[in-house]
Amino acid sequence: GDSVTQMEGPVTLSEEAFLTINCTYTATGYPSLFWYVQYPGEGLQLLLKATKADDKGSNKGFEATYRKETTSFHLEKGSVQVSDSAVYFCALRSYGNKLVFGAGTILRVKS
Amino acid sequence: EAEVAQSPRYKITEKSQAVAFWCDPISGHATLYWYRQILGQGPELLVQFQDESVVDDSQLPKDRFSAERLKGVDSTLKIQPAELGDSAMYLCASSFPSVDEQFFGPGTRLTVL
Repeated sequence: GDSVTQMEGPVTLSEEAFLTINCTYTATGYPSLFWYVQYPGEGLQLLLKATKADDKGSNKGFEATYRKETTSFHLEKGSVQVSDSAVYFCALRSYGNKLVFGAGTILRVKS
Repeated sequence: EAEVAQSPRYKITEKSQAVAFWCDPISGHATLYWYRQILGQGPELLVQFQDESVVDDSQLPKDRFSAERLKGVDSTLKIQPAELGDSAMYLCASSFPSVDEQFFGPGTRLTVL
């Protein structure tokens, strides 16, 4: 079945550092791909998405490019802030429109 | 801005007791999802509704879990009896049919003692 694998955390960075969180997927066809963010005590919020190969999703300084050759959708940000500290989930749209999530990566940004 | 509402936010119960969670989706969203998120893991779909009909409950432990959406609007997820392994965050999400983006509520954190 469809699955998502993302890098284990926690990832600890200093403010203004460059961020990469790796995400790879296994699926039939070319599903839509997503990054969701979960702040402490809150539900999931959609951060960005890409619906086809080579699409780049971007939002709030975060970017991810849909790479079908490597079945990857890595999340990047050029300069992280303390307020970016959260749990980040990579996900794909599977059959019936359900989302299949990775295990999540904790990001901690120190000032 | 429209939001998905869930209640309660927190629930502590003893094993073998019954618990229920409520979700009110964004107005106009015909598709409603219940996900379970165990600590340290990503959410997993329990049940999906299209209006009042269940379209996917393949991962719902039907011996103890039940879900309903009687009028195709709000929904209730019930566990009876609760077990220690049911401790998790229960997330509700909604969307327009066949649209990518799902909107999530704040979740109900269940602790079973």
